[in-house]
Amino acid sequence: GENVEQHPSTLSVQEGDSAVIKCTYSDSASNYFPWYKQELGKRPQLIIDIRSNVGEKKDQRIAVTLNKTAKHFSLHITETQPEDSAVYFCAAVNDYKLSFGAGTTVTVRA
Amino acid sequence: DAGVIQSPRHEVTEMGQEVTLRCKPISGHNSLFWYRQTMMRGLELLIYFNNNVPIDDSGMPEDRFSAKMPNASFSTLKIQPSEPRDSAVYFCASSYGTGLVDQPQHFGDGTRLSIL
Repeated sequence: GENVEQHPSTLSVQEGDSAVIKCTYSDSASNYFPWYKQELGKRPQLIIDIRSNVGEKKDQRIAVTLNKTAKHFSLHITETQPEDSAVYFCAAVNDYKLSFGAGTTVTVRA
Repeated sequence: DAGVIQSPRHEVTEMGQEVTLRCKPISGHNSLFWYRQTMMRGLELLIYFNNNVPIDDSGMPEDRFSAKMPNASFSTLKIQPSEPRDSAVYFCASSYGTGLVDQPQHFGDGTRLSIL
């Protein structure tokens, strides 16, 4: 089955700096890669996703890149703000199977 | 839209009791997912339905867990008998899809379950 590894597990950045979270997956047939943000005590919320026929996608301060050959994808948050503090999960989907990474706790220091 | 609605929000019960969690997906969504989240194991997919039919239940931990979706607007996750290790936050999510899992999912607020 699919194995998704996510790094780092914790990330502390100064407000205004960039944050990068990396994920690798094992199943080359995976074709959809969503990212979810979960604030403490709240539900996970989709923030951005990318499909295997696209190498990069951007939405304001958030961008995701995908390298199918290397089987890794990354989340980039620029100009971080205190409200970006949360746990971020990557996931990889292969048709009927969805696997989440273990999560990255991001803390933005004011 | 009201979003995905889960009930109860919190449940505290003693081991051995039956627990039933409920979920109402977003109207028009035809895929429904049940997840369990713990510190140790993270976010795990337990089961998902498409058009009320279970497609993949390989994540269901054991026979004590069962899930049903009798119609397009309601699903239950039942644990019988419950054990302390079942304590977790259980999320329900829904999406619109063909049966594949490649569409954005909308999560409910979750049920925080504590088994004493």
